[in-house]
Amino acid sequence: QKEVEQDPGPLSVPEGAIVSLNCTYSNSAFQYFMWYRQYSRKGPELLMYTYSSGNKEDGRFTAQVDKSSKYISLFIRDSQPSDSATYLCAIIIQGAQKLVFGQGTRLTINP
Amino acid sequence: DAGITQSPRHKVTETGTPVTLRCHQTENHRYMYWYRQDPGHGLRLIHYSYGVKDTDKGEVSDGYSVSRSKTEDFLLTLESATSSQTSVYFCAISGGTGYADTQYFGPGTRLTVL
Repeated sequence: QKEVEQDPGPLSVPEGAIVSLNCTYSNSAFQYFMWYRQYSRKGPELLMYTYSSGNKEDGRFTAQVDKSSKYISLFIRDSQPSDSATYLCAIIIQGAQKLVFGQGTRLTINP
Repeated sequence: DAGITQSPRHKVTETGTPVTLRCHQTENHRYMYWYRQDPGHGLRLIHYSYGVKDTDKGEVSDGYSVSRSKTEDFLLTLESATSSQTSVYFCAISGGTGYADTQYFGPGTRLTVL
């Protein structure tokens, strides 16, 4: 079993829809939770990170962590074609210096 | 954008030849990482460095070696390239401050081994 599981998709939704991207993890020692966005033929870029259970908002993006269920989510409101990318969850144990990535979910927003 | 460059950006080589990929940073960050990205596997850590001449293995280190003689440069060497090493290779850096340890990625090197 992989330490971090993420549905690779692909996921295709119409412009303006709410998008939900999810990951599950197995190691309860994981403490920091990140979402990276990767455009085609580019390197991943950090989108959001969070430490605690609950929600964290940044514009149209909301990161949600449920440590009791070992489940993390990224919600995108009012999705735009420019949001079309692969989204990767990444998790780290504090001080470990090594991220564990999910497979990534390829998302397409259709105009 | 974090100051990370990778060279070459694309390379085609033949099985059995040595290949060296270079990562260069201008951020003076302590930690540097090499990942490979393959369909169905996501990003997998090959090796990482926590200082000059200090390196450690990741989850897919077989067939790869690394060196770091200067803070700004981290080299990844495939001693004898195989077709299974065809992949996209990403370098990443982090400051290692102990909080979130955010990693910033370079643009990637697309390697094809024939």
